[in-house]
Amino acid sequence: DAGVTQSPTHLIKTRGQHVTLRCSPISGHKSVSWYQQVLGQGPQFIFQYYEKEERGRGNFPDRFSARQFPNYSSELNVNALLLGDSALYLCASSPQGINQPQHFGDGTRLSIL
Amino acid sequence: QKEVEQNSGPLSVPEGAIASLNCTYSDRGSQSFFWYRQYSGKSPELIMSIYSNGDKEDGRFTAQLNKASQYVSLLIRDSQPSDSATYLCAVSGRGSTLGRLYFGRGTQLTVWP
Repeated sequence: DAGVTQSPTHLIKTRGQHVTLRCSPISGHKSVSWYQQVLGQGPQFIFQYYEKEERGRGNFPDRFSARQFPNYSSELNVNALLLGDSALYLCASSPQGINQPQHFGDGTRLSIL
Repeated sequence: QKEVEQNSGPLSVPEGAIASLNCTYSDRGSQSFFWYRQYSGKSPELIMSIYSNGDKEDGRFTAQLNKASQYVSLLIRDSQPSDSATYLCAVSGRGSTLGRLYFGRGTQLTVWP
């Protein structure tokens, strides 16, 4: 079975632009979470969606938004990009419950120039 | 803000030795604990989950949990050079933060031949 897939793999943007990152969960998984990982740190929680509803939001500004589609795939949108948004953005999926082990995709590496 | 602390490392062990990785957490009511392995430039890979006090073994890996001491550890027996990676401890939130993972900064492990 395919794991969590994310696109694009790499992205280079300039300050002020916006970006959309995409994620497809493992087949049968209904929960999708987004994390940001900067170099040398552990991943930091951004959003969680379960059954297309937002179930949690981390300490990120309103420039960050997300949604989950009927097929359980998800998008993360970031507006007005800042240099500090440069990071690895990870999507994780888990089965039906929202407190089950989460499996990560390969991530999208976002660089802001 | 829930805190997850890991021994700073880096940790270096010879091939065949036991590697011991430690993690403490601040929320006494936490219920779910995970260890992820992250190779350089890659995404985190789930290797162990533990929910009850005591030991849980899976191949060369043993996770140990002591909720009274708010301590979780990972032992890697017969360490191999392929185990060289950063190991992330993650604790699941509860209540209003149920389902989100809080990560430590990771411990970098090097296994030398």
